[in-house]
Amino acid sequence: DADVTQTPRNRITKTGKRIMLECSQTKGHDRMYWYRQDPGLGLRLIYYSFDVKDINKGEISDGYSVSRQAQAKFSLSLESAIPNQTALYFCATSDFWAGGISMQFFGPGTRLTVL
Amino acid sequence: AQSVTQPDIHITVSEGASLELRCNYSYGATPYLFWYVQSPGQGLQLLLKYFSGDTLVQGIKGFEAEFKRSQSSFNLRKPSVHWSDAAEYFCAVGLTQGGSEKLVFGKGTKLTVNP
Repeated sequence: DADVTQTPRNRITKTGKRIMLECSQTKGHDRMYWYRQDPGLGLRLIYYSFDVKDINKGEISDGYSVSRQAQAKFSLSLESAIPNQTALYFCATSDFWAGGISMQFFGPGTRLTVL
Repeated sequence: AQSVTQPDIHITVSEGASLELRCNYSYGATPYLFWYVQSPGQGLQLLLKYFSGDTLVQGIKGFEAEFKRSQSSFNLRKPSVHWSDAAEYFCAVGLTQGGSEKLVFGKGTKLTVNP
């Protein structure tokens, strides 16, 4: 079984709809992240959470919100989807490492299309 | 501001040829550097990382990368490319800001392998 899972894997929705993307992990990591990937732009950080009570905005958080329901679950919501939120969304996890920057492990991605 | 540049958007090589993917970073402190690979329809997989020590690091799938501080580079290499290496490759720098840590990704290099 995959360590980091994302649901749904694909979603098509309409402008103005509320959408939730879910991420679950079995790695036991405290830290979780949401990124979006757009062609030619690489990955950009939306939100990150270092534990259940810690939520932080990334570089492109406008139009998104998150919820850390448990150590293993981190959801991303689009309250009112718009077409330029069409992208590939990745969840990632990492563990704390006192020696420096910890490695991140990625889920398979959710392809979201907003019409 | 911290940034990662991958100068080549798309590279095409023949199977069996050698490969070098370029990555330059801009970061004032000691960098933590990563290369990830994204196969079509898949999430990101960590190929290798550099934290400190030996500047030539070995990764999975026969890849290696060399950290050159004087050139602010972390280029990825493989002596002989296989058709299964066709994918998109992302370089990333890990950095700490205000007590938190994050990855900043380059925009990626897409590799095509000709038979």
